[in-house]
Amino acid sequence: ETGVTQTPRHLVMGMTNKKSLKCEQHLGHNAMYWYKQSAKKPLELMFVYSLEERVENNSVPSRFSPECPNSSHLFLHLHTLQPEDSALYLCASSQFQFSDTEAFFGQGTRLTVV
Amino acid sequence: AQSVTQLGSHVSVSEGALVLLRCNYSSSVPPYLFWYVQYPNQGLQLLLKYTTGATLVKGINGFEAEFKKSETSFHLTKPSAHMSDAAEYFCAVLTGGGNKLTFGTGTQLKVEL
Repeated sequence: ETGVTQTPRHLVMGMTNKKSLKCEQHLGHNAMYWYKQSAKKPLELMFVYSLEERVENNSVPSRFSPECPNSSHLFLHLHTLQPEDSALYLCASSQFQFSDTEAFFGQGTRLTVV
Repeated sequence: AQSVTQLGSHVSVSEGALVLLRCNYSSSVPPYLFWYVQYPNQGLQLLLKYTTGATLVKGINGFEAEFKKSETSFHLTKPSAHMSDAAEYFCAVLTGGGNKLTFGTGTQLKVEL
């Protein structure tokens, strides 16, 4: 248990569905991140929030929409996804944005798009 | 731009043998370096990190890594492998004052009896 909780752990959705991934941390961290982990590829940073403001969006398609309502919660809203979006989506948090302090990761949501 | 190269996507060792996982980085400024481990169906967990100071860094579970600036390397070692070490290991680099943590493609470690 790392202090970062992601729900659901597994999700199967059709290409026309709308779903949301949730991430929660009660570590008092100020920065939160969404990563995509695909087989045989490096972790891809998708979004960075620092003090509840989005500070980075690495050219992620608009079918992925993040939301950070407060410093403890981070959502990733999904709509009209493609099969290639199937992956493990990891949430992480750290005390400050990309400092030398440790980033804590959640267990991830295994997403399958059918 | 910074990057990380992990040589060998799969490494297999016998239980009790030396573990060596290789990581080379490129960075135009002094880097911060990290090793993370990922067990099946889990997120990433920090093993160890190098920021400044002593170049030999000790982490959890008996792992250690040495920062060698001249070789731009940060290889991960453990003197004696245990079955529980079987997992995927990721090297990552963060440049000081940077805004991106860059990961390697990972090395899957298999430990055999």
